[in-house]
Amino acid sequence: EAQVTQNPRYLITVTGKKLTVTCSQNMNHEYMSWYRQDPGLGLRQIYYSMNVEVTDKGDVPEGYKVSRKEKRNFPLILESPSPNQTSLYFCASSSRGESYEQYFGPGTRLTVT
Amino acid sequence: SQELEQSPQSLIVQEGKNLTINCTSSKTLYGLYWYKQKYGEGLIFLMMLQKGGEEKSHEKITAKLDEKKQQSSLHITASQPSHAGIYLCGAASAGGTSYGKLTFGQGTILTVHP
Repeated sequence: EAQVTQNPRYLITVTGKKLTVTCSQNMNHEYMSWYRQDPGLGLRQIYYSMNVEVTDKGDVPEGYKVSRKEKRNFPLILESPSPNQTSLYFCASSSRGESYEQYFGPGTRLTVT
Repeated sequence: SQELEQSPQSLIVQEGKNLTINCTSSKTLYGLYWYKQKYGEGLIFLMMLQKGGEEKSHEKITAKLDEKKQQSSLHITASQPSHAGIYLCGAASAGGTSYGKLTFGQGTILTVHP
């Protein structure tokens, strides 16, 4: 089954404790992206990757890191999480081309206390 | 950066009623996407529009992109409780190094009462 998986689905952590949210897709997609969703602010892009070893900033990259060492994986790293990073995070992937039909993961709800 | 404004922010309708959600861009749209999200879940792709004047339909949902490519509408005919959710429009930046950047509107929350 074609899908984007994220782990963990739920995470409660404390300020400053490094964490990684994993994202994996099994569709051989070149493009992957991370978003955060907050009430009243909608869905905002954090980072995206056009292919292996190619990443770029979205609209809200501060406080986040990403890497794309393999085509299928695109982890999101929070080196020193802060409470303002409490949010619902989504990973998405798509094949390159004009359609940009993105497949979204189920989301990771992160709470930083 | 491109900004997308959706209206209304929320909508409550009775089952069977028609409704329209609008998405307006501050810049010319080079690709406009409509997604549906159930609360707290991932987004599901509905439709993508690229050409001015383009119109696409899927079951009871029709999306249009105006000729100037700065406004899109999503119309649901004879709404059902299964249509309830959050509808988001998204747009891709055109060309250059930023063409992977996607911007989304803030979403429209649709409630359909049986």
